[in-house]
Amino acid sequence: QKEVEQNSGPLSVPEGAIASLNCTYSDRVSQSFFWYRQYSGKSPELIMSIYSNGDKEDGRFTAQLNKASQYVSLLIRDSQPSDSATYLCAILYSTLTFGKGTMLLVSP
Amino acid sequence: GAVVSQHPSWVICKSGTSVKIECRSLDFQATTMFWYRQFPKQSLMLMATSNEGSKATYEQGVEKDKFLINHASLTLSTLTVTSAHPEDSSFYICSAPPTGVQETQYFGPGTRLLVL
Repeated sequence: QKEVEQNSGPLSVPEGAIASLNCTYSDRVSQSFFWYRQYSGKSPELIMSIYSNGDKEDGRFTAQLNKASQYVSLLIRDSQPSDSATYLCAILYSTLTFGKGTMLLVSP
Repeated sequence: GAVVSQHPSWVICKSGTSVKIECRSLDFQATTMFWYRQFPKQSLMLMATSNEGSKATYEQGVEKDKFLINHASLTLSTLTVTSAHPEDSSFYICSAPPTGVQETQYFGPGTRLLVL
């Protein structure tokens, strides 16, 4: 059983702070990792993908991957109220397997 | 980026009726499309993989006779919920990777089904 684990939250941060979202996974074979953002009532939208160990930055977002620890994280710098959403970690095995998501609340 | 559409976006039906949901890739071809279901406060759960020109592959626990999938062209897959019941009420989302680029999946906007 391939599992993707996330803390359901909510994670509350003030506007301008750094939000740190974490995800662990069970299968060492995985090579492709994704973070999706899902607003309430909407379908997921891809924020970041990461395939190798280390950090990958895209604007205010940084994805971090540590395959030895089977851990992937997403940092959001200068958090904005519009970042309030549920963030889904997804791992590509033969198909995408999603975690349950972490709800992020950014307060003005 | 690529666009995937779903129709309808909302559907309310009576128990026992069948509901068809369409998923279209608007500007790319997709030999494979995926159907997910998401219950409130739960993650997306893959229901089935739709394959153009062949039978769909269903995940364990998903009844293939209840959730009929047809992938008749490279841009259209349909999911029919047959004899829908209240427990089928959920958010149904399709996704499609452009042919040959499995890591890149574009999600449709989803269809919210309410069975009374």
